[in-house]
Order: sequence, then C-alpha cells, then structure tokens
Amino acid sequence: QVTLRESGPALVKPTQTLTLTCTFSGFSLSTSGMCVSWIRQPPGKALEWLALIDWDDDKYYSTSLKTRLTISKDTSKNQVVLTMTNMDPVDTATYYCARIFHSSSSSYFDYWGQGTLVTVSS
Amino acid sequence: QSVLTQPPSASGTPGQRVTISCSGSSSNIGSNTVNWYQQLPGTAPKLLIYSNNQRPSGVPDRFSGSKSGTSASLAISGLQSEDEADYYCAAWDDSLPGVVFGGGTKLTVL
Repeated sequence: QVTLRESGPALVKPTQTLTLTCTFSGFSLSTSGMCVSWIRQPPGKALEWLALIDWDDDKYYSTSLKTRLTISKDTSKNQVVLTMTNMDPVDTATYYCARIFHSSSSSYFDYWGQGTLVTVSS
Repeated sequence: QSVLTQPPSASGTPGQRVTISCSGSSSNIGSNTVNWYQQLPGTAPKLLIYSNNQRPSGVPDRFSGSKSGTSASLAISGLQSEDEADYYCAAWDDSLPGVVFGGGTKLTVL
C-alpha cells in the first residue's frame, strides 16, 4: 500500500525559508521509474507543479520558481525534502507531494499525500 | 496563466454527458500523454485518467479520455451528483522540462 505524508510548518514569516518533508511508504525511490514530486495549490486556485526528483537523482524544477527551490531525497529514510527560500504571502498554499510513475510512454501522479497548508504571514 | 487551457466551468444535469477540453502545444500534449485528475471539495487530487485514455482500477467507465494532436478531452457520461468536483488535465512539457497543469474546470451538477 502506497502512502505519502507531508510535514512541515503551518506558518512561516515573509523572507523565511520553508522546509517540507514528504515521508512515503509502499515503494522505493531507488526503483527505476519511481519519482516524487511537489505540487501546490493556493486557496481557491489551480494546481501548480513545483519540482520532481527521480530514482536516478535527476531533478526538475518549475521554471518560474527554480531559483528558490531545492529538492532532495533520502532513500534510506523514504523521504523527499523540498526547500523554498524567500517566502512571500503569495506562496500561501496547500503543498502536496505525489508519486510519479514514469515509463517510456507515460508518466502520471498515481498517489498523492493529503497536503499541508502553509500560510505565509508576519 | 496555466500552460494548458481548460474552460473554467462546465455543468450538466444528472444522466447527461459532459466533456471538458484541454488545449496545449506541441511540446506538451503534442508530444506526451495526458492525464486527468479529479479533486473533490476539500480533498487531494485523485488520478482519474492516465496515458490519454486509461482508467485506474476503481474509476467507473463513465469517465473516458481522448487526445488528438495538441488537445485532449475528458468525457463523463451518466452524470451523477458525486461527480461535482474540479477537474485538471496535466502533461509533461519537453521544453521546460517539467509537468504542466491546466487551470482546472469546476463541474457543477445541476
């Protein structure tokens, strides 16, 4: 059974760095084709993809946010960590982590965490 | 402004068939498969359709997907009240590279 769970602060101040952890079970991020991604959703708005890390430690970032994002993994702990620097109130959102199943013909988010709401306010 | 374009809203009455469109470009939908996600109010998104037209186990066959060129569509037949949700299309974009989402379509069952 695949599960993912996000954890991190519910409230951060402007200019601070946000660190979120995705703890997962039911699969290994060292298995070929496995990837974990972060997606966020501001209140009442659409989903926005942030970053992805794959089984080979390749990393991909949203073009608009890449200067602020870092994604990393700890395979032994079954965790993926996302850091976002210089937080702003517009970054207030629910942050989701999700597993991506990737093959030569397709890739899709097949399992999602429940999400964690992060509010940016002084 | 989302890379993939969806209508912001759609509606239908119970039993009707509705379709939701998703328009992209050669670098995303034109080159890669399209996936659809359903987000019920207050919950995390759920995979609804993958690889253009495949349904995960447990998704009713009332839901179907298709793709042609740089556009894709989600069709829901026999509309039910529990289908009221937000629907998002997504695809890999080779030019970024990364995942792109549509802006979402809010489906209302009248």
